[in-house]
Amino acid sequence: AQSVTQLDSQVPVFEEAPVELRCNYSSSVSVYLFWYVQYPNQGLQLLLKYLSGSTLVESINGFEAEFNKSQTSFHLRKPSVHISDTAEYFCAVSLPSNTGKLIFGQGTTLQVKP
Amino acid sequence: SQTIHQWPATLVQPVGSPLSLECTVEGTSNPNLYWYRQAAGRGLQLLFYSVGIGQISSEVPQNLSASRPQDRQFILSSKKLLLSDSGFYLCAWSGSGTAGNTIYFGEGSWLTVV
Repeated sequence: AQSVTQLDSQVPVFEEAPVELRCNYSSSVSVYLFWYVQYPNQGLQLLLKYLSGSTLVESINGFEAEFNKSQTSFHLRKPSVHISDTAEYFCAVSLPSNTGKLIFGQGTTLQVKP
Repeated sequence: SQTIHQWPATLVQPVGSPLSLECTVEGTSNPNLYWYRQAAGRGLQLLFYSVGIGQISSEVPQNLSASRPQDRQFILSSKKLLLSDSGFYLCAWSGSGTAGNTIYFGEGSWLTVV
């Protein structure tokens, strides 16, 4: 069975500072990896994903994540955060199958302070 | 482009009353459909998924049921709500076959059982 661990439940950071949200997974088979963002009282939006190929993936709003197979990690980073990045971030994995079921971590609340 | 709609956005129901949450997807055919629940202070839990009309798989035993009467319609129901059914319910879709790698979420429905 697969599992996902997000090591920090809350990450406070000042505006324009760098941030890293940590995600580790456990699986005996290859998985796909995802980061979703949830703004208050909204659904989840796909931020970025790793399916295959380059281990470094980027989003359109400056976030990036690197798949590290040996450490079974998929940490999310941003070099300079904005107030508008304040949200809940979820790491998730799925098996390469046609059902696409996601297994989520518990989420990390990113709190960007002015 | 594909869009997903779910309603109602907010619902307050008494214990023992019935429930019906509806979700529709536009712009795609034969999608995989999902219902997730996000309880307060907890991560997201997959409740049901469907790979076709009338095909429903339940992930956890519970007081809820799901139906897929049409290709792009997914309904979450209960005959008698419990207090523990309160939470944020998210409908989601993905492509079928090898396109079933990425899941896209609706805006969610807040259910409060009183």
